[in-house]
Amino acid sequence: EDKVVQSPLSLVVHEGDTVTLNCSYEVTNFRSLLWYKQEKKAPTFLFMLTSSGIEKKSGRLSSILDKKELFSILNITATQTGDSAIYLCAAGGTSYGKLTFGQGTILTVHP
Amino acid sequence: GAGVSQSPSNKVTEKGKDVELRCDPISGHTALYWYRQSLGQGLEFLIYFQGNSAPDKSGLPSDRFSAERTGGSVSTLTIQRTQQEDSAVYLCASSSRLDRDTYGYTFGSGTRLTVV
Repeated sequence: EDKVVQSPLSLVVHEGDTVTLNCSYEVTNFRSLLWYKQEKKAPTFLFMLTSSGIEKKSGRLSSILDKKELFSILNITATQTGDSAIYLCAAGGTSYGKLTFGQGTILTVHP
Repeated sequence: GAGVSQSPSNKVTEKGKDVELRCDPISGHTALYWYRQSLGQGLEFLIYFQGNSAPDKSGLPSDRFSAERTGGSVSTLTIQRTQQEDSAVYLCASSSRLDRDTYGYTFGSGTRLTVV
């Protein structure tokens, strides 16, 4: 059975801190790993990673995939209160696109 | 439409009643997914549609749950004889083959179901 595990489950930091969120996966015929940000209801797309060792960046957020060790990290530098959200990691295989999600990391950034 | 639309956004129902949740995917998206998110949990897969057929319904938790999709577009998730443990946010997502390989899914805002 496909499985995705995220850590930590929750994290409280102050503005300006740097955070690292972890995601490990076991997925049959792995194809891609995705990160989503969920603030209210609809998760919004952050990154899709398919190749090992290639960092993807978007502003203060970056992510990298290690296909040998089966994990990914999401880094957020100089955190802001607007970064407070649930961060979801999901992994997909080569089939029809079904994604298996982790439990999420609840990030709270205090001013 | 411009995005994935779900209705209602909130639903409160009495235990034992039936409910219908609706999802209107992005126009042209052939794949449609239903997920459930209980309080403090990640997303739990329920069912996948390709066109009007459901090749994978393995996540439906019991025979009280059913879903259909018509015209390759709108989908309805029906929960019969609701129980308190059905309380959750039900999220719908859609994708085209191209989007799936680039952005994964586009999610709707979900329906928050509360069974009292």
